[in-house]
Amino acid sequence: QVQLQESGPGLVKPSETLSLTCAVSGYSISSGYYWGWIRQPPGKGLEWIGSIYHSGSTYYNPSLKSRVTISVDTSKNQFSLKLSSVTAADTAVYYCARLGGRYYDSSGFVRYYFDYWGQGTLVTVSS
Amino acid sequence: AIQMTQSPSSLSASVGDRVTITCRASQGIRNDLGWYQQKPGKAPKLLIYAASSLQSGVPSRFSGSGSGTDFTLTISSLQPEDFATYYCLQDYNYPRLTFGGGTKVEIK
Repeated sequence: QVQLQESGPGLVKPSETLSLTCAVSGYSISSGYYWGWIRQPPGKGLEWIGSIYHSGSTYYNPSLKSRVTISVDTSKNQFSLKLSSVTAADTAVYYCARLGGRYYDSSGFVRYYFDYWGQGTLVTVSS
Repeated sequence: AIQMTQSPSSLSASVGDRVTITCRASQGIRNDLGWYQQKPGKAPKLLIYAASSLQSGVPSRFSGSGSGTDFTLTISSLQPEDFATYYCLQDYNYPRLTFGGGTKVEIK
């Protein structure tokens, strides 16, 4: 069974860098798929932050791109998120997830959906 | 970037009601859309992928339709366990993704 577990500080000071790690078990990241970070501010909706492949190829939400870095460590079977210059607006539950559900769309292109999620971790930005 | 507009943002309904939630994309996305259900304190759970394909284990009262820019999630007969928040997610630009704003389904 694939499991994902987020970890990292629950409290970060404004202007500092938020750092989280997603440890994966039950599946080797090196075997494939994109892996993603998603966040949800308290009482608000879901926001895709970015996705990374085991090769290190990354895609970021344009609204966060200047502050986000996602990296992968295949030796530890984990991937990480760094968000710099945080403010109170970055307070959220942060989820990691696997884009591993494959299907073919109406034009025959391969697409993927999130099939496994971590439980989420709350990060509060406050002094 | 593709924008996803979901409506309504919330609705009140009774057990047994038929509920419809819509999602509109800012450009055509074929059928590259999924619907997720989220309950408080939990990670989202996939209900529908490819706009209309029911995920294994999801009750058949859930259905999805649409292609291009307009999509619909329908719950044919609302059950107590269905009170939750629902999100659409486009994967047309996979692995660049966009969620809709969410629809909270509350008890009337």
